[in-house]
Amino acid sequence: EDKVVQSPLSLVVHEGDTVTLNCSYEVTNFRSLLWYKQEKKAPTFLFMLTSSGIEKKSGRLSSILDKKELFSILNITATQTGDSAVYLCAVEWSGGSEKLVFGKGTKLTVNP
Amino acid sequence: GAVVSQHPSRVICKSGTSVKIECRSLDFQATTMFWYRQFPKKSLMLMATSNEGSKATYEQGVEKDKFLINHASLTLSTLTVTSAHPEDSSFYICSARSPGLARETQYFGPGTRLLVL
Repeated sequence: EDKVVQSPLSLVVHEGDTVTLNCSYEVTNFRSLLWYKQEKKAPTFLFMLTSSGIEKKSGRLSSILDKKELFSILNITATQTGDSAVYLCAVEWSGGSEKLVFGKGTKLTVNP
Repeated sequence: GAVVSQHPSRVICKSGTSVKIECRSLDFQATTMFWYRQFPKKSLMLMATSNEGSKATYEQGVEKDKFLINHASLTLSTLTVTSAHPEDSSFYICSARSPGLARETQYFGPGTRLLVL
């Protein structure tokens, strides 16, 4: 059974801290791994990773994939209160429908 | 670009009634749309994959007769929750993708919150 596991499930930090969110997966027919940020409504896209060892960056956020060990991390440096959200990891499955299998998410709370 | 809308954003209905949720791609043609359900403090669970002009593919455990999906055009898919019960109360989200767009993402709609009394 395909599985995406995120850790920790929740995290509380102070502004300015750096956080690392983890995502491990067991998915047959892996195509890519995606990170999303979900606040009150639908997820918003952050990164898509297909190759091992290539870091993707967007401002204070960065992510990297290890296809050998089957995991990815999402780093957020100098956190701000606006980073408070649920961060979802999803693995794209290439079995014809290109569906996404989501993890349960990490709830990040950044306190002032 | 790549905007997906959902309507309604929130609906409250009585048990036993049917509810239709629309998902529209506003500025692109979506050959494939996906329907997800999210319970409180849980992740998104894929319910079905909808391809324009053909029958939807349902995930295991999702009742196709209860959750009717129609993808009649390249910009519209509908999900009808038939004979809704309180346990169907959830957040329903659609997403859309198109081969013409960057394949990095499925573009998500804003979601529909359903409450069945």
